[in-house]
Amino acid sequence: NAGVMQNPRHLVRRRGQEARLRCSPMKGHSHVYWYRQLPEEGLKFMVYLQKENIIDESGMPKERFSAEFPKEGPSILRIQQVVRGDSAAYFCASSPGQAPNTEAFFGQGTRLTVV
Amino acid sequence: AQSVTQPDIHITVSEGASLELRCNYSYGATPYLFWYVQSPGQGLQLLLKYFSGDTLVQGIKGFEAEFKRSQSSFNLRKPSVHWSDAAEYFCAVGARGFKTIFGAGTRLFVKA
Repeated sequence: NAGVMQNPRHLVRRRGQEARLRCSPMKGHSHVYWYRQLPEEGLKFMVYLQKENIIDESGMPKERFSAEFPKEGPSILRIQQVVRGDSAAYFCASSPGQAPNTEAFFGQGTRLTVV
Repeated sequence: AQSVTQPDIHITVSEGASLELRCNYSYGATPYLFWYVQSPGQGLQLLLKYFSGDTLVQGIKGFEAEFKRSQSSFNLRKPSVHWSDAAEYFCAVGARGFKTIFGAGTRLFVKA
């Protein structure tokens, strides 16, 4: 059973471009969480999704950021018109039920660099 | 407001020495508490968790943590540190069913 797969591992974008980050949850997991880690900081919750539904996006910036978890395929975190401040590591986690009641497993992250 | 504080940004211990990493939390109800470890360039791995019951929790890799409600603390301990334990450690509290709030982390250095 493969773990949570995130790709790409590293992504470089110029200011104003779009960034698409993908997360394939573990098999059998229908709950996905996205976190952002800025340098020298802990992880900050962004959004919680179940299949085809956004459950809580209270940690997402109101503009330029969006997330989806379609019926088929990976969850996508999309950042439009990236700016230097978006440079961070973005982690995805998945769980079979609603965390923290069940353990969430983390992917290795996507490190986004905006130049 | 819910929060997690890890007072030590960096800690250096000698290999074979004991380790204690501090964690204090602020949460209105009985918390779900976690310790994660992150090696450079890697994701987070769960070391242990506390939901209820025995306040001394055993985890993987020889780690344990003790929940002390009176002190709002959940300190991580290991009796003898190995060089491979060098990493960043995050304390976290589970909030509102799914939002996990992380501390800023403590980076552990192990010297020979």
